[in-house]
Amino acid sequence: DAKTTQPPSMDCAEGRAANLPCNHSTISGNEYVYWYRQIHSQGPQYIIHGLKNNETNEMASLIITEDRKSSTLILPHATLRDTAVYYCIVRAASSNTGKLIFGQGTTLQVKP
Amino acid sequence: DSGVTQTPKHLITATGQRVTLRCSPRSGDLSVYWYQQSLDQGLQFLIQYYNGEERAKGNILERFSAQQFPDLHSELNLSSLELGDSALYFCASSPFWSGGAGELFFGEGSRLTVL
Repeated sequence: DAKTTQPPSMDCAEGRAANLPCNHSTISGNEYVYWYRQIHSQGPQYIIHGLKNNETNEMASLIITEDRKSSTLILPHATLRDTAVYYCIVRAASSNTGKLIFGQGTTLQVKP
Repeated sequence: DSGVTQTPKHLITATGQRVTLRCSPRSGDLSVYWYQQSLDQGLQFLIQYYNGEERAKGNILERFSAQQFPDLHSELNLSSLELGDSALYFCASSPFWSGGAGELFFGEGSRLTVL
């Protein structure tokens, strides 16, 4: 699976959009991009995933560049409860295991 | 609530002891995954079981073992415990065994403290 690079930390003002970048320059054509978050030692929580098209759900939007070498997770109106570590993970659809490999992630601090 | 249940939530024990952590996956999920999260190592994949059989192995120590039972619950056994084994242990489940496009559902974890 391709490696990902994320900034270690980011701040965001409450009510504003939080844009979390992820670089995955070695991604292959059949690899999905997943985003999870972990709120203060709770179990990681799935947010969204995508292959090549932009995706949106009730939690967030995922924007994937046309060359698929990077992506951005957007939380449209961040709240204090969105303070968490956000993980960007790449996994091949053809992988013979469903495991996810977590990196260090981005610690997002939402401030009042 | 992810539907994945882990017990116990907290466990304190001494070095050299043995403990068992238990995980009940979401209803219908056949795969179970175990992860370890310590302060200096982040989330580390330990092992995956699918329908009772080992599917993938990560950086799991020889002192650790796991199994998945016919009712699909799983247990992680940690023996000869050392101070460095103190960590959060997460279980996750999914309906599939391979990559695909599905997500994993995580439990709330078991916090192990070795004194």
